[in-house]
Amino acid sequence: AQKVTQAQTEISVVEKEDVTLDCVYETRDTTYYLFWYKQPPSGELVFLIRRNSFDEQNEISGRYSWNFQKSTSSFNFTITASQVVDSAVYFCALSEAGGYQKVTFGTGTKLQVIP
Amino acid sequence: DSGVTQTPKHLITATGQRVTLRCSPRSGDLSVYWYQQSLDQGLQFLIQYYNGEERAKGNILERFSAQQFPDLHSELNLSSLELGDSALYFCASSPTHTVRIDTQYFGPGTRLTVL
Repeated sequence: AQKVTQAQTEISVVEKEDVTLDCVYETRDTTYYLFWYKQPPSGELVFLIRRNSFDEQNEISGRYSWNFQKSTSSFNFTITASQVVDSAVYFCALSEAGGYQKVTFGTGTKLQVIP
Repeated sequence: DSGVTQTPKHLITATGQRVTLRCSPRSGDLSVYWYQQSLDQGLQFLIQYYNGEERAKGNILERFSAQQFPDLHSELNLSSLELGDSALYFCASSPTHTVRIDTQYFGPGTRLTVL
């Protein structure tokens, strides 16, 4: 069975600090997809990134970066120089190759960036 | 603004009732996804439609049903409502049905309260 663990329930940082959100997953599939979603206080969900299991290259998008390590089954998300607008709940998710029907979400990490 | 619209924004109803949630995908997107976010269950994938056909089914109860119409808008029907159905229901859309390449765009959600 698939499982996604986001052990950090809530994190508070001061603006401009770097912060890493942890995500550990379990799956028996050899082909799978990992995702990060953002849910700001306004409530909508925002798709941030998808990574497939064969691509272990780290990805950087502006102040966001993702570190995928199959050896430790982790897909961590780092925000550099955090800003108040980064305050949100962040969800990590895992899906098998066949599609979204088997997507499993983590419980989310609430990030509060204090000005 | 993601381009995905959902109506109504809020819905309050009583146990045993039936409601219909509506979603209009982004222009050109053929896939529509429904998700439920509740305090008890977290985020769960419910169902996916692609160009009018059911494509994938997740943890959707038998009391719930959905369809996608020729104009690609989708409706999620919830019947015999129970207190536990109170949740935020998200609709998302994407251009195709392929988890490998698609980016999902989420609507603002419909908050359902069952009293």
